[in-house]
Amino acid sequence: GAGVSQTPSNKVTEKGKYVELRCDPISGHTALYWYRQSLGQGPEFLIYFQGTGAADDSGLPNDRFFAVRPEGSVSTLKIQRTERGDSAVYLCASSPGSDTQYFGPGTRLTVL
Amino acid sequence: QKEVEQNSGPLSVPEGAIASLNCTYSDRGSQSFFWYRQYSGKSPELIMSIYSNGDKEDGRFTAQLNKASQYVSLLIRDSQPSDSATYLCAVRLVSSASKIIFGSGTRLSIRS
Repeated sequence: GAGVSQTPSNKVTEKGKYVELRCDPISGHTALYWYRQSLGQGPEFLIYFQGTGAADDSGLPNDRFFAVRPEGSVSTLKIQRTERGDSAVYLCASSPGSDTQYFGPGTRLTVL
Repeated sequence: QKEVEQNSGPLSVPEGAIASLNCTYSDRGSQSFFWYRQYSGKSPELIMSIYSNGDKEDGRFTAQLNKASQYVSLLIRDSQPSDSATYLCAVRLVSSASKIIFGSGTRLSIRS
């Protein structure tokens, strides 16, 4: 069956620009997570959705980062006024409510 | 102190030997622990989860948990070249039931 998909796979932008990263979870999965992974590091928690609501957004680094999941399925991570330090792979994972997380292929964001 | 700590490696193990990967965590009340495997350029995939003290075996993999020592380990028996990857330890925090925190990973190399 279809897994978690993320678009775009790669995004190159200039410092100060706005970007949106999209995640399509596995159908029926109620939980959705966003992580950020830098080279040589483990995934860093950003935000967790249960259904449409953000149950825990304590990992968002600052108010330039925002995420939505309006219909409880697709989620969009939005980054305003991008900085070079935002460059990383952004991973999305979905879960049926158990502990098993299924990760998407990630979006590699490069801020020039 | 980091919430989840792992030796970054690289850990080099001869083919056919046992690879031992270790992880410590700081949140004493944590109840859920996970090992993920991540190949270079790919997303993490769940290998095992463990919730109770002791050993849990799945094929060539054995996860070991000692909550008193706040220690989790993963043993890989009969190591194969295909086991060469980064292994990520992850812990669900008791302080925030939705948040799963990853260690920085241990890079494992199986030499023929």
